[in-house]
Amino acid sequence: KAGVTQTPRYLIKTRGQQVTLSCSPISGHRSVSWYQQTPGQGLQFLFEYFSETQRNKGNFPGRFSGRQFSNSRSEMNVSTLELGDSALYLCASSLAGQGTDTQYFGPGTRLTVL
Amino acid sequence: AQSVTQPDIHITVSEGASLELRCNYSYGATPYLFWYVQSPGQGLQLLLKYFSGDTLVQGIKGFEAEFKRSQSSFNLRKPSVHWSDAAEYFCAVGQGYGNKLVFGAGTILRVKS
Repeated sequence: KAGVTQTPRYLIKTRGQQVTLSCSPISGHRSVSWYQQTPGQGLQFLFEYFSETQRNKGNFPGRFSGRQFSNSRSEMNVSTLELGDSALYLCASSLAGQGTDTQYFGPGTRLTVL
Repeated sequence: AQSVTQPDIHITVSEGASLELRCNYSYGATPYLFWYVQSPGQGLQLLLKYFSGDTLVQGIKGFEAEFKRSQSSFNLRKPSVHWSDAAEYFCAVGQGYGNKLVFGAGTILRVKS
């Protein structure tokens, strides 16, 4: 089975722009979660989608949004980019979105905001 | 609120020596606990997880972890470290509903030959 894929792998944007990141979960997985990883704040939960519905949300401003499609693929969008949004964005998928499920992580998208 | 503390930011171990990485958690209910490893430029890979039952859990790559409720700890151990184990290790706690994980700050493991 193919693992979790994220596109693009690297992205450079300037302040004020917006960006869309994509995540394709493992086939059959219905839950997709997003995390932001920075040297200063570490790994922080952004949001989780299950069956096209946002089920959990972390403490991020409204500039961060996401969605999930009927095939479980997910996108996250960041509007009005700030320098502090530079980070590795990780996507994880799991089968049924239960707390006991194993989450499988993708390689991440490295976003640099100039 | 849930929280995870990994007191050691960096650890250096000689190849072949034993390893213990510390993790303390704070969570009101029975925790779901995880250890992940991240190599440079890679995503996270699950080493092992604990939900209930036997408090000593075995994982991949020869790792094990022991859940101690009285100490709110979930330390990761390996009897003999290999150079390929050099990476960053994250402890995480999950809630019963959904997939939100709260991660510790991570411990960077360096292996010297």
